[in-house]
Amino acid sequence: AQSVTQLDSHVSVSEGTPVLLRCNYSSSYSPSLFWYVQHPNKGLQLLLKYTSAATLVKGINGFEAEFKKSETSFHLTKPSAHMSDAAEYFCVVSRGSARQLTFGSGTQLTVLP
Amino acid sequence: EAGVAQSPRYKIIEKRQSVAFWCNPISGHATLYWYQQILGQGPKLLIQFQNNGVVDDSQLPKDRFSAERLKGVDSTLKIQPAKLEDSAVYLCASSPHPRTLAGRQETQYFGPGTRLLVL
Repeated sequence: AQSVTQLDSHVSVSEGTPVLLRCNYSSSYSPSLFWYVQHPNKGLQLLLKYTSAATLVKGINGFEAEFKKSETSFHLTKPSAHMSDAAEYFCVVSRGSARQLTFGSGTQLTVLP
Repeated sequence: EAGVAQSPRYKIIEKRQSVAFWCNPISGHATLYWYQQILGQGPKLLIQFQNNGVVDDSQLPKDRFSAERLKGVDSTLKIQPAKLEDSAVYLCASSPHPRTLAGRQETQYFGPGTRLLVL
């Protein structure tokens, strides 16, 4: 079975400092992995996705994630946080022949001025 | 292009009442999903449609939840009767097809959700 574990339920950073949101996955085969962001009262938006091409994936708004098979990790990073980055972030793995998504429990990112 | 539309945005009902949610996917998207997101948790898939057929409804509580996509376009999710634990955000998503010809993952596009409160 495929699953993801987001290691931090809350992360707080100062504006202009790096962001690191951690995600470990469990999959019986080569997974497709995603990061989605959810701003309050808005729909989920895809940040980036990994589908067995390059292991370093660049997404929107300066975010990127690196697929590390040896560590079964897919951590999300950004060099410099902006106030508008404050939101909930979900690490997601796809499963099954129908490619259904399984979401992690989410990490709430707070950006302090 | 227009995104995934959902209505209503908010709904408050009493337990044992019924409620229905509507979703209109992005034009041309064959696959439609309904998710339930309980406060503090990630979304959980309830049902997946491919055109007007059900691909997977294994996590749908069929004693009270039902969903349909009769013409393969818009969809309705119903709860009857509602319970307190059904309080959640109900998200609809669509994708062109669950996987490309190369077998890779198609992106799912999410609507804004319907926030349900059961009192």
